[in-house]
Amino acid sequence: DAKTTQPPSMDCAEGRAANLPCNHSTISGNEYVYWYRQIHSQGPQYIIHGLKNNETNEMASLIITEDRKSSTLILPHATLRDTAVYYCIVRGGEYGNKLVFGAGTILRVKS
Amino acid sequence: KAGVTQTPRYLIKTRGQQVTLSCSPISGHRSVSWYQQTPGQGLQFLFEYFSETQRNKGNFPGRFSGRQFSNSRSEMNVSTLELGDSALYLCASSLLTNYNRQPEQFFGPGTRLTVL
Repeated sequence: DAKTTQPPSMDCAEGRAANLPCNHSTISGNEYVYWYRQIHSQGPQYIIHGLKNNETNEMASLIITEDRKSSTLILPHATLRDTAVYYCIVRGGEYGNKLVFGAGTILRVKS
Repeated sequence: KAGVTQTPRYLIKTRGQQVTLSCSPISGHRSVSWYQQTPGQGLQFLFEYFSETQRNKGNFPGRFSGRQFSNSRSEMNVSTLELGDSALYLCASSLLTNYNRQPEQFFGPGTRLTVL
């Protein structure tokens, strides 16, 4: 699985969009980009995933660059409850459920 | 639909003892994965079970083992506990099928194990 690089921490004002970047320059053609988050003392929560097209769901949007070497998770209107560690994970096309977590980005949403 | 449940939520053991943790997946999910989370190493994959068979294993010593029952419930066991085994142990289930080979995983709240 390709390695990902994320900033260790970011701050965001409540009500503003939070843009979390992720670099995955060694990603290969059949690898997906996944985002999970972990709110303090809880299990990780799935947010969104994509292959090459931009994706949007009720929680967030995922923008993947055309060369697929980086992506951005967008929380359109961050709230205090979005304060968490956000993990960007690249997974291969293999059959199975192994997730390789990095250190993630600590997002602090401030009022 | 009930989420992933893990029991017990908290556990205190002493070095050398063994421990068994339990995970009940979301109804209909046949894949169960286990992860260990420590401040130093972060979240690390332990193993994955599907239809009672271990499909994938992380880089952990043989003291860590698991199994899955016919109802998809899973247990993991750690024998001869060491201080470094103190961690949050997380279980995740997913709806893995031939048509959905990389489904999202739903995590339980975890079992906090403290080894004294």
